[in-house]
Amino acid sequence: GEDVEQSLFLSVREGDSSVINCTYTDSSSTYLYWYKQEPGAGLQLLTYIFSNMDMKQDQRLTVLLNKKDKHLSLRIADTQTGDSAIYFCAERGTSGTYKYIFGTGTRLKVLA
Amino acid sequence: GAGVSQSPSNKVTEKGKDVELRCDPISGHTALYWYRQSLGQGLEFLIYFQGNSAPDKSGLPSDRFSAERTGGSVSTLTIQRTQQEDSAVYLCASSPLGPTENYGYTFGSGTRLTVV
Repeated sequence: GEDVEQSLFLSVREGDSSVINCTYTDSSSTYLYWYKQEPGAGLQLLTYIFSNMDMKQDQRLTVLLNKKDKHLSLRIADTQTGDSAIYFCAERGTSGTYKYIFGTGTRLKVLA
Repeated sequence: GAGVSQSPSNKVTEKGKDVELRCDPISGHTALYWYRQSLGQGLEFLIYFQGNSAPDKSGLPSDRFSAERTGGSVSTLTIQRTQQEDSAVYLCASSPLGPTENYGYTFGSGTRLTVV
C-alpha cells in the first residue's frame, strides 16, 4: 500500500544546513511535495519535484529524489529561526482520485 | 476568495453532539479535500470532491462522518454523535483540477475540534 515515512524531530543551529528525509512506498508516484506547517496554521506548499527529476533547487531549498530507493530529501541552506516548523512530504497517490499521501511530518527546531 | 477559508477556527463540543465544519475553497478550484490531523499524527485523508461529487470517500472513519459540497464551492463536513477520539484539526484543501498533478493543494488554516 501507500505509505510515507519521516523522522519526527530535527534540531539544527541557525546558519547551518538542515536535511529532512522522507521515504515512500509507491514507486508509481509522479509528483512528490514538501509542505511547511507553522504553529496554528495550515500547510503551505514549499516545492515539488516530478519523478523524472533527480534534483530541484529553489533559492535556499534543494530537493533530492532517489527513485530507486524511494527516498526524498529537503535541504534548507542557511537555516533561520523562521524556518522552525513542521515539514511534511507527500506523494500523489495512484488510486486515480488525486489524493495525496502525507508523511507524519518532521518538526524542525532551529537554535539561535 | 483569496485563500481557502475554514470556519469555525475552533470548536469545543460535548460528547454526543453533532458538529458542522465549513470550507470555502478558492474560487474556481474544482477539487476539494478534507484531511484530519490528530496530535502527533500525520494527515489522514477523509474525502475528495470533484465538483459536487465525491469519487473517493474511503477515508471517512465511520458512518458518523459525512460531507457534502454544493454549487461546486462550499463544503460541509458533519460529524454526528461526536466522540473524544474525533478531537483533531480538520484541514480543508482545494486545487484547480484533480488531474493536474503539478498543482499542489492550497490549505485552509483548519478547524480545531475538541470533544469534551
